[in-house]
Amino acid sequence: ETGVTQTPRHLVMGMTNKKSLKCEQHLGHNAMYWYKQSAKKPLELMFVYSLEERVENNSVPSRFSPECPNSSHLFLHLHTLQPEDSALYLCASSQSPQATKASEKLFFGSGTQLSVL
Amino acid sequence: AQSVAQPEDQVNVAEGNPLTVKCTYSVSGNPYLFWYVQYPNRGLQFLLKYITGDNLVKGSYGFEAEFNKSQTSFHLKKPSALVSDSALYFCAVRDGYSSASKIIFGSGTRLSIRP
Repeated sequence: ETGVTQTPRHLVMGMTNKKSLKCEQHLGHNAMYWYKQSAKKPLELMFVYSLEERVENNSVPSRFSPECPNSSHLFLHLHTLQPEDSALYLCASSQSPQATKASEKLFFGSGTQLSVL
Repeated sequence: AQSVAQPEDQVNVAEGNPLTVKCTYSVSGNPYLFWYVQYPNRGLQFLLKYITGDNLVKGSYGFEAEFNKSQTSFHLKKPSALVSDSALYFCAVRDGYSSASKIIFGSGTRLSIRP
């Protein structure tokens, strides 16, 4: 195991539902990330939190709302999603604040497979 | 601008044969290069990285990768494939002066090893 846990593993929701994805890291890391993985596409970075502050938001629609209450937990709140939002959502963490260490590697959770009907 | 390309969606290899998964990159500064592997129903796992030094980098599970500056490539290799190597492999690159959050991933190559 990588030390990064995501729940739920699978989620099916309607376009009018509100749901949340949860990520917890047990590594003592200081930066956490949300990525979107779609088939045959590069991983898309969505959000980055460093020391519980959002440091990046890569033009993600407002129907995705992240929350980082502490350095170990990261949430992605979902509201009025579209079918094209169906994908695997991956959480990751890295050790240093702002992930500034040059050789930094990312530790990923197993992801939440999201289907929007 | 940074970019990374994995030209093959799928690579099929017989067990016991050597395998190569290709990756080319483009960065404005010194490249920091990574390979990650994703097994079914799992997140990505770090395999190996090139930061500086020896062009041949050795990583987990017997994999290695060769950094070729003139060809801007960082191909993943293994001398003898195992069925258990079947997975999705991602190449990633980052400019050495940028933070880890700026890492760019390729679209992935699915490696299939037949018995």
